[in-house]
Amino acid sequence: TQLLEQSPQFLSIQEGENLTVYCNSSSVFSSLQWYRQEPGEGPVLLVTVVTGGEVKKLKRLTFQFGDARKDSSLHITAAQTGDTGLYLCAGARSGYSTLTFGKGTMLLVSP
Amino acid sequence: GAVVSQHPSRVICKSGTSVKIECRSLDFQATTMFWYRQFPKQSLMLMATSNEGSKATYEQGVEKDKFLINHASLTLSTLTVTSAHPEDSSFYICSARQDLQANEKLFFGSGTQLSVL
Repeated sequence: TQLLEQSPQFLSIQEGENLTVYCNSSSVFSSLQWYRQEPGEGPVLLVTVVTGGEVKKLKRLTFQFGDARKDSSLHITAAQTGDTGLYLCAGARSGYSTLTFGKGTMLLVSP
Repeated sequence: GAVVSQHPSRVICKSGTSVKIECRSLDFQATTMFWYRQFPKQSLMLMATSNEGSKATYEQGVEKDKFLINHASLTLSTLTVTSAHPEDSSFYICSARQDLQANEKLFFGSGTQLSVL
């Protein structure tokens, strides 16, 4: 079983639409990170959320950490073609030295 | 922000040869680095944790004699794919952990596309 369930796996939308990507788990995370990766490149950190209920905004991207620190969401408003990429959530747990990655969401924004 | 340099970005080799990939943290010291493998449009699969000055910790199912990891300094880890075969063709990514006061961050290299003929 996947520790971090990320959904949807694939998303194809038109420019200007809104979308939400979810990352869910039955485990508690001390922090959760969101990354964006373009083809042939390494992932780039977008944000880290640490506090339950925390909401962070990065221009048109809104990140939320669940109150119980078991889930997170990424909402993109008015998507642009430049938002196309693989979005990965990754959680850190107390006592574990490695991040747990979700399976990723492949987002394609068409003009 | 912190930078992690991974080299080479692309390598094509013949079956049976060995390939070395380098991962360097350019402006911080990293006692811990990680090596991942990624297939097209899929997430990262952790292969091993590279610890400076000690043996790497491999994930279940990853052959340590096949994927040799050396972390001889605080800024450099290397992954050597020994006797490469076509099934080893993949995108390999490293990351380095920057330990800041109460704020640990992970920075990724730009990846290495390995193609074994």
